[in-house]
Amino acid sequence: GESVGLHLPTLSVQEGDNSIINCAYSNSASDYFIWYKQESGKGPQFIIDIRSNMDKRQGQRVTVLLNKTVKHLSLQIAATQPGDSAVYFCAERASNDYKLSFGAGTTVTVRA
Amino acid sequence: EAQVTQNPRYLITVTGKKLTVTCSQNMNHEYMSWYRQDPGLGLRQIYYSMNVEVTDKGDVPEGYKVSRKEKRNFPLILESPSPNQTSLYFCASSPGPWTDQPQHFGDGTRLSIL
Repeated sequence: GESVGLHLPTLSVQEGDNSIINCAYSNSASDYFIWYKQESGKGPQFIIDIRSNMDKRQGQRVTVLLNKTVKHLSLQIAATQPGDSAVYFCAERASNDYKLSFGAGTTVTVRA
Repeated sequence: EAQVTQNPRYLITVTGKKLTVTCSQNMNHEYMSWYRQDPGLGLRQIYYSMNVEVTDKGDVPEGYKVSRKEKRNFPLILESPSPNQTSLYFCASSPGPWTDQPQHFGDGTRLSIL
C-alpha cells in the first residue's frame, strides 16, 4: 500500500501556543483518516478522525483539516499544554481496503 | 472499563526460544490486529483477524503466527524468535475493519531477543 508520512519528525512548542502537525498522504483512494497520540510507555490513543467527505472537524481543543486536492492532513492543537507532549501519528484507510496505514510520527515537545 | 490488555509488557529472551504474547479485549470487537513499532518506521501490521477463526497476513508477517479461537483473544506467537524481532508490539481491536471507528490499542509489549 502507499505510505502516509508526516512532514516533520519533531516539533517544539511553547506552552499556551497553538500546535500544527502536518501529514501528507499519497493514496488518492483514502477516505478515512485518524490522528493518534502516543505517550511514553503507552499505546496509541485515538484523538480525532475525519472522513473524506469533510474538510474540517473539531474536537475538544483539536481540529483536523483535510485538503484532498493536495492530499494533506493536519492536526491543530489549541493552547498547547505540557500533557500534549507525545508522538502524534496520522493514519489513513482506503475505501477499497480495510487496513490502516500509519505515518512515522511527529514528536511534540511542549516548553514551559 | 473498555480495554485491550497485552501480556507480558516486557520480555527479554534468547534466539530460538518460543514465546507467546497474549492479547485480550473486552469490547466484543470483531477485528483485531498486531503491529510492531520500530524507530522511524511507524506502526507496521503483522497479522489481523476479521473474526473468530479468520486470520490473514499484514505487511510484515514473516516469523510470526497468530490464532483466533475466541473473539476476545488474539495471541501472537514467535515460534523461533530472532534478534530482528526485537521491537515494541501493539495489539489493537475495533468493531470491524470497514466501520469508521478507530482501533483501540493495548499499552504495548517490548520484546528483546538476544
